[in-house]
Amino acid sequence: EVQLVESGGGLVQPGGSLRLSCAASGFTFSSFSINWVRQAPGKGLEWVSYISSSSDIIFYADSVKGRFTISRDNAKNSLYLQMNSLRAEDTAVYYCARNLCSGSSCYSDYWGQGTLVTVSS
Amino acid sequence: DIVMTQSPDSLAVSLGERATINCKSSQSVLSSSNNKNYLAWYQQRPGQPPKLLIYWASTRESGVPDRFIGSGSGADFTLTISSLQAEDVAVYYCQQHYGSPTFGQGTKVGIK
Repeated sequence: EVQLVESGGGLVQPGGSLRLSCAASGFTFSSFSINWVRQAPGKGLEWVSYISSSSDIIFYADSVKGRFTISRDNAKNSLYLQMNSLRAEDTAVYYCARNLCSGSSCYSDYWGQGTLVTVSS
Repeated sequence: DIVMTQSPDSLAVSLGERATINCKSSQSVLSSSNNKNYLAWYQQRPGQPPKLLIYWASTRESGVPDRFIGSGSGADFTLTISSLQAEDVAVYYCQQHYGSPTFGQGTKVGIK
């Protein structure tokens, strides 16, 4: 059974940092690209970042570029999101999602349960 | 970025009746290389993560009931629930994956 389990969320002050993790199981993690997608309370879905299976291709949304860093450790079946210079507008549930891709185009077939990040003083 | 616009924002349908959700993209998401529409639909029940329903605009994900039907091409798409069931109460999102992924604002489906 495919499982994605996020962790690392919590309350952080504006300007602070947080590192999210996503533990994968039930599939060959090293064969799949992964997205981070977030959802602000009561709002819609926003794509945050993409990492290819071998980490050679990485993309960020403009809203987080220069502040967030995505990475993965295929030996540990884990994905990470380092979030720096956090702002109130980064408050959201953060999901990791496995991608199925055709060329450069990917959609997400499995999603974790999410971890809540709250940025507030 | 490609902007996705869904309509309506919410709708209420009687059990067993049809629900129709529309999704328009600000540019075509039809790939000329493989003639596929890079459009997916997700269902998000309250308190749950999104669940993939449809990809390539009209291909149903494994295990998704056949009452969920995706259609459309280019920049205009529709998700139809042919006979609404109680468990279909959720917010539905379209997503394009032609460029950097973007989602519609969501359509909340309830029971009349």
